Amino acid sequence: EIVLTQSPGTLSLSPGERATLSCRASQSIGSSYLAWFQQKPGQAPRLFIYGASSRATGIPGRFSGSGSGTDFTLTISRLEPEDFAVYYCQHYGGSPYPFGQGTKLEIK
Amino acid sequence: QVQLVQSGAEVKEAGSSVKVSCKASGGTFSSYTVSWVRQANGQGPEWMGMILPILGVANYAQKFQARVTITADKSTGTAYMELSGLRSDDTAMYFCASGSNVRLDYWGQGTLVTVSS
Repeated sequence: EIVLTQSPGTLSLSPGERATLSCRASQSIGSSYLAWFQQKPGQAPRLFIYGASSRATGIPGRFSGSGSGTDFTLTISRLEPEDFAVYYCQHYGGSPYPFGQGTKLEIK
Repeated sequence: QVQLVQSGAEVKEAGSSVKVSCKASGGTFSSYTVSWVRQANGQGPEWMGMILPILGVANYAQKFQARVTITADKSTGTAYMELSGLRSDDTAMYFCASGSNVRLDYWGQGTLVTVSS
């Protein structure tokens, strides 16, 4: 069973800075079925990136995803105040479609 | 744009069952997969299972295989998730989510299920 490990657990940055979030899979998962979600308190997760690098509808260009195999990255080029939230990666290529444990992006 | 509206919060006793509904509008309900994902307080999401309404075929995570049943009513555009043998650690927010090929593009607002012992 594939396990996704996200790092860091918490990332403290200021608006305008660049954020780099990591998601590592316990075995190779290619690149087609890796997604990133943003979740704010009291809300459902929201799909931001699918297929490792494709932005979902309405997602700003400052968000980008990359990676393949076992190592994936979500990059936010210049942080806006609304970007501070928890981010989860997920592999949706095979059951049980695991999620990572999340990275909390907080304002420094 | 698909919108998913879930049924309201539930409080259940340990050992009982709960059935949560998820009504879709604004999209092609039958041809998208509908997944159920739960999230305990302060924890990451956990995929439970899914159904493809056009075929009525469901697939479950092994962890929940013995206790969960996911169904769909194409005529009303509604999916259901029933979880039996409730335990205190089943207390969580339950979400439905829909998209193509198990991708979770659209999410319901969530249904809080509280299990009292």
